[in-house]
Amino acid sequence: KAGVTQTPRYLIKTRGQQVTLSCSPISGHRSVSWYQQTPGQGLQFLFEYFSETQRNKGNFPGRFSGRQFSNSRSEMNVSTLELGDSALYLCASSLPRGWSETYEQYFGPGTRLTVT
Amino acid sequence: DQQVKQNSPSLSVQEGRISILNCDYTNSMFDYFLWYKKYPAEGPTFLISISSIKDKNEDGRFTVFLNKSAKHLSLHIVPSQPGDSAVYFCAASAKGGSEKLVFGKGTKLTVNP
Repeated sequence: KAGVTQTPRYLIKTRGQQVTLSCSPISGHRSVSWYQQTPGQGLQFLFEYFSETQRNKGNFPGRFSGRQFSNSRSEMNVSTLELGDSALYLCASSLPRGWSETYEQYFGPGTRLTVT
Repeated sequence: DQQVKQNSPSLSVQEGRISILNCDYTNSMFDYFLWYKKYPAEGPTFLISISSIKDKNEDGRFTVFLNKSAKHLSLHIVPSQPGDSAVYFCAASAKGGSEKLVFGKGTKLTVNP
């Protein structure tokens, strides 16, 4: 079974630009979550989608947004990029909690975003 | 307010010995816990998880113990191998219909040959 895929793997953008990152979950997984990892803050939850609906959102400004498509693929968008947005952006997929006996959330390789 | 804490930033052990990584949490709504292994510039790799209805879960060399009264869990790796050298993250999930994970800051494990 293929794992979680994320594209692109690396991006360099300039302050003020916007960026769109893509995530394809494991086949059969309908929940997709996004996280930001920085050296100072660690892994921080951005938002989570299930059946094309955002179910939870972390403490990030409105410049960070996302969506999920009917095939469970997800995108996240960051507008008006700031230097502090430089980070590793991680996508994770799972079956919703309670759908199986155990709960596991699998991560993709991440997109390394550098804002200059 | 850090709800999941890994108080040891680093741990060094000899190959073949036991590695014990610790994690504490404060939120009593957390009822599922996951451990991940991570290399730099890569996504976390899922290792093992445990529900709050259990106090132990084993998978090969990895065992997770949960002490609900102390709000403490630990990951045991036996025997430790040099390939286990990585940063280990503890994560917690709360009941309530969302897949949000709250992560600790991680513990860097070094296994010396």
